[in-house]
Amino acid sequence: QSALTQPRSVSGSPGQSVTISCTGTSSDVGGYSYVSWYQQHPGKAPKLMIYDVSQRPSGVPDRFSGSKSGNTASLTISGLQAEDEADYYCCSYAGTYPLVFGGGTKLTVL
Amino acid sequence: EVQVEESGGGLIQPGGSLRLSCAASGFTVSNNYMTWVRQAPGKGLDWVSVIYNDGSTYYADSVKGRFTISRDKSKNTLYLQMNSLRAEDTAVYYCARIKSGIDYWGRGTLVTVSS
Repeated sequence: QSALTQPRSVSGSPGQSVTISCTGTSSDVGGYSYVSWYQQHPGKAPKLMIYDVSQRPSGVPDRFSGSKSGNTASLTISGLQAEDEADYYCCSYAGTYPLVFGGGTKLTVL
Repeated sequence: EVQVEESGGGLIQPGGSLRLSCAASGFTVSNNYMTWVRQAPGKGLDWVSVIYNDGSTYYADSVKGRFTISRDKSKNTLYLQMNSLRAEDTAVYYCARIKSGIDYWGRGTLVTVSS
């Protein structure tokens, strides 16, 4: 099973919006509504930010939103803040090979 | 409060074996989907294995036949038995619960495979 494709890095200024894409296939992202997104700060465990494509867990700011079109899912962060600087990973259910992650995207807040 | 805490990592020689444990509190391991995810130094997240509430198990191709996921209902603990370890298995291993997404993660335990 191949990893999902994410851009290696994105950047934005405080207050701006950025979008991180996650491209898979019809066997994972495109075939199920089970895409999730994780934020990871250096030396810390990942934190769930979005599940089931667009659902936000309790406590996650509404600046974070998720969507999907075909085989590509997206995470949008609006009103960028310094503390949003982190690595972001997408993850999808993939049937008989249950979970597959993206390669990760480093977000830099300029 | 829901928590998971890994233990059992360390330095091991290539070809050796190690068993990781994941003690859970605030929920019942056997009633949930539980997973192990690893992260090699400086690299991304890499799914390793999952056990569903019905006991079915699945593995990444890279560990199939070498790693075994299991759970102990009486101890509310998840395990990962790792055999025939290779240098490329060096990583921080995270235990986590899957409910709506992977919602609770441990802090991880470092496994270093080196001679």
